[in-house]
Parts: sequence; C-alpha cells; structure tokens
Amino acid sequence: RKEVEQDPGPFNVPEGATVAFNCTYSNSASQSFFWYRQDCRKEPKLLMSVYSSGNEDGRFTAQLNRASQYISLLIRDSKLSDSATYLCVVNLYNFNKFYFGSGTKLNVKP
Amino acid sequence: DVKVTQSSRYLVKRTGEKVFLECVQDMDHENMFWYRQDPGLGLRLIYFSYDVKMKEKGDIPEGYSVSREKKERFSLILESASTNQTSMYLCASTLGPDTQYFGPGTRLTVL
Repeated sequence: RKEVEQDPGPFNVPEGATVAFNCTYSNSASQSFFWYRQDCRKEPKLLMSVYSSGNEDGRFTAQLNRASQYISLLIRDSKLSDSATYLCVVNLYNFNKFYFGSGTKLNVKP
Repeated sequence: DVKVTQSSRYLVKRTGEKVFLECVQDMDHENMFWYRQDPGLGLRLIYFSYDVKMKEKGDIPEGYSVSREKKERFSLILESASTNQTSMYLCASTLGPDTQYFGPGTRLTVL
C-alpha cells in the first residue's frame, strides 16, 4: 500500500470554477503535511503547508482531517495559470522522510 | 533567494557507464535528498544525507550510491547505468521538517 494516495485526474475545469483535491495517507504517525505544485517538466515548488486548524492563502484553502487521515486542497476562482500537477506530501516524525503522492493533474480551460 | 542547482538538465548515457549527478545548495542546509520521479509513481527517495559524510538509504537505493564531502554538495552515482534507471532525478534540500527546495532536475536517458 502506498504511503500517500491521490486521484491522478486530470481534473478539467473552466476558468472561475472551484475545484477540490483530496489525498489520503496511511501512517497515523505523520506529522507534517504539504501541497506542492509542479509545472510540466519543472521541479516541485511548495504551494502551502497544511496545519491542523486548516489554513488559507488567497484562493487556496488546505484542510487536514487526522481522524480520517486525509488532507484536501480547495482552489476557488480557478485561473488558467493554476494548470499544473498538485503533489500531496507527508512527513513522518523523522523529518528526513517525506512521502509524495503521484500527483493530481489540473487543467483549467478558458 | 534560495537556490539548488543540478549539474545537468539532460543527460544521455549508455548501459554500463558510470554516471555522476551533482547537486549544490547555497542555503547552508543540513539535509539533502535524491529522488527519482517516474510517471504514475511519484517521487521516490533514493538516498538522503543529514550531514557531511553521513548518508542513509531511502526506499529505492539499489544501483545507486551517494557522496557528501562538503555540506553544500550531494552527489548521486550510478555505478553501472541500466535502462531501468532512465528517469527524472531531483535533488532537494531542507533545514528541517518543512519546505523542501528542489533543483531543476536532471532527465537521464540510458540507452
């Protein structure tokens, strides 16, 4: 079983739409959670960390549900520039181990 | 501005060749990582290092070795390249259990 699982998509949405991704993790000892964004043929870059209380950064909202062991990312008012692959990342108690999901692809269309 | 650089963006090698991939970071980070990324499999950890001359195996270390002689530099070595090592190789560094900063990646093709 994979440590982190994501729906690979693609999610095809029109500009202005709201879209949500979920990610599940298998290890209840996971401590830190992140969403990264990866553009085609580029390196992953941190989008946002996910805190227990949930957090928001502009059009992006991340939530953590420890009981069900999933994290979510909500994107409001989608822009063409949001088209990318979104990676869910989980870190165990040992900060040297980061586990990556295989990514969810988002296509925002005009 | 943080910076992680990798020695090559694209590399083509032949089966059996020894391959060196270098990664340099300028952030004085203790921890450095080598991943490979393949379609549908996500990023998989090959090796990581938490200090100079210290290294630990990740999830897929077979066929690879690493070297960290200086804090800023972490090298990945393929002793005898094989076609199943064709992949995107990503180096990353981090100070702690927080943001990982990635290099631009090396797309390696082994013929």
